[in-house]
Amino acid sequence: ELKVEQNPLFLSMQEGKNYTIYCNYSTTSDRLYWYRQDPGKSLESLFVLLSNGAVKQEGRLMASLDTKARLSTLHITAAVHDLSATYFCAVDEDYGGATNKLIFGTGTLLAVQP
Amino acid sequence: DTGVSQDPRHKITKRGQNVTFRCDPISEHNRLYWYRQTLGQGPEFLTYFQNEAQLEKSRLLSDRFSAERPKGSFSTLEIQRTEQGDSAMYLCASSLMQGAEAFFGQGTRLTVV
Repeated sequence: ELKVEQNPLFLSMQEGKNYTIYCNYSTTSDRLYWYRQDPGKSLESLFVLLSNGAVKQEGRLMASLDTKARLSTLHITAAVHDLSATYFCAVDEDYGGATNKLIFGTGTLLAVQP
Repeated sequence: DTGVSQDPRHKITKRGQNVTFRCDPISEHNRLYWYRQTLGQGPEFLTYFQNEAQLEKSRLLSDRFSAERPKGSFSTLEIQRTEQGDSAMYLCASSLMQGAEAFFGQGTRLTVV
């Protein structure tokens, strides 16, 4: 059974600082997603990572995937208050995306302090 | 097309009542998914459809839950004899095809009192 773990669960950062959120998963998969969720809202897609060594960047966020280590990272550069949200990684349970059935991590609550 | 649409956005019901939620996927998306998210947790997969066919159901989906997608377009999720443990956000997502990225709706927040 695929399990997805994120750490840390809670992250309090100062504006301008850098930090990394880690996502480990337990079985082979070839696609990993990062989502952002604001309180009471739905999930906003940030990144789709489809291959080993994939790296994607959007603004102050950069995501990478190491399928051999079963590890993805979400790196935050020079954090700003607007990045405060809960971030989820999700792994497709089926290799090749046959079902698109996503297993989510528990989320990382990011609070960026001025 | 403005994305995946869910209705209602909020529902408060008394324990024991039945409730039904609706999801309208992005036009031409043939895959539709239901997830449930409880407070402080990540979403959990419930079921998914390929067109009108329900292809997989999670063990989380007890006999009180039923989902349909009668014409391969919108879907409904019904919960019979609601319990307090059913209180959660119910999220719908759709994707164009197998292996394509899924897009989520705004969700329906259910509170059972």
